[in-house]
Amino acid sequence: AQSVTQPDIHITVSEGASLELRCNYSYGATPYLFWYVQSPGQGLQLLLKYFSGDTLVQGIKGFEAEFKRSQSSFNLRKPSVHWSDAAEYFCAVGFFGNEKLTFGTGTRLTIIP
Amino acid sequence: DSGVTQTPKHLITATGQRVTLRCSPRSGDLSVYWYQQSLDQGLQFLIQYYNGEERAKGNILERFSAQQFPDLHSELNLSSLELGDSALYFCASSVDGLAGTHTYNEQFFGPGTRLTVL
Repeated sequence: AQSVTQPDIHITVSEGASLELRCNYSYGATPYLFWYVQSPGQGLQLLLKYFSGDTLVQGIKGFEAEFKRSQSSFNLRKPSVHWSDAAEYFCAVGFFGNEKLTFGTGTRLTIIP
Repeated sequence: DSGVTQTPKHLITATGQRVTLRCSPRSGDLSVYWYQQSLDQGLQFLIQYYNGEERAKGNILERFSAQQFPDLHSELNLSSLELGDSALYFCASSVDGLAGTHTYNEQFFGPGTRLTVL
């Protein structure tokens, strides 16, 4: 079945530690790929996106993501997390000619001092 | 601030009632999308309008309807409300959502309307 999977429901990371959030997709074609962040009481903010080209994309707030076609993955990374990164993170996909976004179930990130 | 505004921020109502959620897209954006975020279903696409016309439909119940007005603001109407309709409803906008364009236009999300049905 076509889907976007975020295997980790909740991740806890110490402040200053590195972070990797996983995202896998299952579609016949490679979709456009996105990572959004939702802070408590806020809307969704786009962190970064991948359409084509360089498989390592840089985003806002020091985040990056790597597209791996062979693994159907688009994992989000940050070398050193800050307490303000605590939020819910959503991976999403879209397709050319079909503008709707399909979201994964989200990963809640907790930062401990 | 994404530039997309949604009103009201919170809405509490009873089962069987009808409510209207309002969305104003970013200046210049022609396309509006509605999404529902619930504990059961996660974030789901409901419907898209482009320049006043319905463009795409997702998992939207028949009790729900939407429209986009000439000034491009959009309203989502939810009727015969049930407890399970309690959710956060997001509106997003993009420059255009016209299928067939050569690029994918980023969607900018509003802060959402939290609907509680008692």
